[in-house]
Amino acid sequence: AQTIHQWPVAEIKAVGSPLSLGCTIKGKSSPNLYWYWQATGGTLQQLFYSITVGQVESVVQLNLSASRPKDDQFILSTEKLLLSHSGFYLCAWSLGGANTGQLYFGEGSKLTVL
Amino acid sequence: GDSVTQTEGLVTLTEGLPVMLNCTYQSTYSPFLFWYVQHLNEAPKLLLKSFTDNKRPEHQGFHATLHKSSSSFHLQKSSAQLSDSALYYCASMSNYNVLYFGSGTKLTVEP
Repeated sequence: AQTIHQWPVAEIKAVGSPLSLGCTIKGKSSPNLYWYWQATGGTLQQLFYSITVGQVESVVQLNLSASRPKDDQFILSTEKLLLSHSGFYLCAWSLGGANTGQLYFGEGSKLTVL
Repeated sequence: GDSVTQTEGLVTLTEGLPVMLNCTYQSTYSPFLFWYVQHLNEAPKLLLKSFTDNKRPEHQGFHATLHKSSSSFHLQKSSAQLSDSALYYCASMSNYNVLYFGSGTKLTVEP
């Protein structure tokens, strides 16, 4: 069975500080990987996606970056946090092709920027 | 990119009554449409996905019909259950790998 693990579960950070959120998928080879952001009470907004190791595509610009250093790992980061970065960050995976869009989400990382 | 509109932010129903949550979309192409459900303190999960051959997807008593003429993919269920209380998101995908979500509808089912 496939599992998806996100870390940390929650972070409280200061404006201007760096951030790194991680996601690991086990039990699935070469999945498509995604990062989503959900503001409190808001919708899900796709930030990045990756089809293969080392390749990441940006969907929206929010002063964040993403990397896929390994087949099963997806990292979201920034060097300087803004207040607007607060929210819930969800990692997801899917199969490719016709199954793209059928996302399996992790439990998320809650970020509070003060 | 695509856009998805869910007009109802909050829907409150009595158990046993029918459910209908609205979803309309705008897209340059013919997108796939999805319904995701998010229960309190849980991650979103796929509920339904549209088919290319106009079949009506069904899951857990929910169904949705893709109407290209009206660009709609409304979610329906004949009889609401207390356990259906959750946040429901409609989503559209015309470009593989980019999924656009609507603003969500919070469904509350009361006894």
